[in-house]
Formats: sequence, structure tokens, C-alpha cells
Amino acid sequence: GENVEQHPSTLSVQEGDSAVIKCTYSDSASNYFPWYKQELGKGPQLIIDIRSNVGEKKDQRIAVTLNKTAKHFSLHITETQPEDSAVYFCAANPEYGNKLVFGAGTILRVKS
Amino acid sequence: NAGVTQTPKFRILKIGQSMTLQCTQDMNHNYMYWYRQDPGMGLKLIYYSVGAGITDKGEVPNGYNVSRSTTEDFPLRLELAAPSQTSVYFCASTPVGLRSNEQYFGPGTRLTVT
Repeated sequence: GENVEQHPSTLSVQEGDSAVIKCTYSDSASNYFPWYKQELGKGPQLIIDIRSNVGEKKDQRIAVTLNKTAKHFSLHITETQPEDSAVYFCAANPEYGNKLVFGAGTILRVKS
Repeated sequence: NAGVTQTPKFRILKIGQSMTLQCTQDMNHNYMYWYRQDPGMGLKLIYYSVGAGITDKGEVPNGYNVSRSTTEDFPLRLELAAPSQTSVYFCASTPVGLRSNEQYFGPGTRLTVT
């Protein structure tokens, strides 16, 4: 089955700097790659996603890149702000059904 | 819309007790899911359902049961609770459609088994 690895497990950046979180997946049939943000005491919330027919997608300060050949995808956050501090999860959607396989998560701390 | 709601928010169980975690969504989503979240382990799929009357096992189904009698409700049953079931449980739902992969999560239930 699909396996998703996520790095780093924790990331501290200074406010205004960029943050990059990387994930690799094992199943070449996976075709959908979302990123979720989880704030303390809340459920995960989708922040951006990318499908396998696209190499990059941007939404304001957030971007995701996908390299299908290498089977990895990354989340880029520019001009980080204290409110970006949260746990971020990547996920992959294997070809079968609508199930997601999640990475272990990255704790992002933005220091002001 | 209230989205996905879960009750209770917190619960402490003794070993061997049983309980039902409730999940309701008012978005008319066909797909619903139960995950558990352990520290540093991400989210693991317990059970999922593609519609009323249809359920299937996920990655970690042992010790749990589900039912889906209506589109809105997807309760998770724990029988004979064990300390290994101490976790935060999240329910999620997804609509059916071409762009339907986004999962909408509830606020979670924090369960402690002692």
C-alpha cells in the first residue's frame, strides 16, 4: 500500500523567512496530494492541494510543487507569520477510492 | 452549515468499558471517515464509508466497529476499551464529484483509557 514520509518533524523559522516541508510517497498510482494545517485543539483543514497532472500550484504565500518522477512533493510558505505556527500534514490519494494516506506531520514554529 | 460535528469532546474510560463516538455532517457528503491521531504518527484511517449501509476497514480497524444507517451519521463504537486506544479521534467527510477529494474534519474527540 501507499506510504508517505514527511520531513522535517519540527521546523523553526524567523518571522518573514520561508519554510519548506517535504514529502515522499511510494505508490506511483497516487494522483492527488493535499496539504492540511492543524491548529491546536482543532481538526485538520485543507490549505492547498495538487493533482498529478500539474507540477506547481500557488495560493498567495503558499505553494506546492510535485515531482512525479521522483515521487515527492513539497509545501512552500513564504513571508511566514506567527499565525502560520501549526502542525502541517501532507497526504497522498492512492488510485483506489477517496482514501488519504497521511504523513506524520511537521510542527512549524514561527518566531517573532 | 455546522459542517462535521463530533461528540463528546473529551472522555475518560476505564479498561474494558465501551462507548460510542458520535459524528454527524450536514453537508450531504457521501463519504465519511474515522481517523485516530497519535503523537508523531499522523492520522491513521480506522474505518470509512462510501454511503449509507456501506462500510469498510481502513488501516487500523481492530477494536472498533462502525455503522452507517443514514447519510448524516457515522458513529464509531469501541468495545472493551484498552490503553492502546488512548488517542484523538477525528471524523471527516467528502462529497462525491470530480473535485471531491477534500476531506472536511470535525474538531475531534480526545479519549483516554486508564
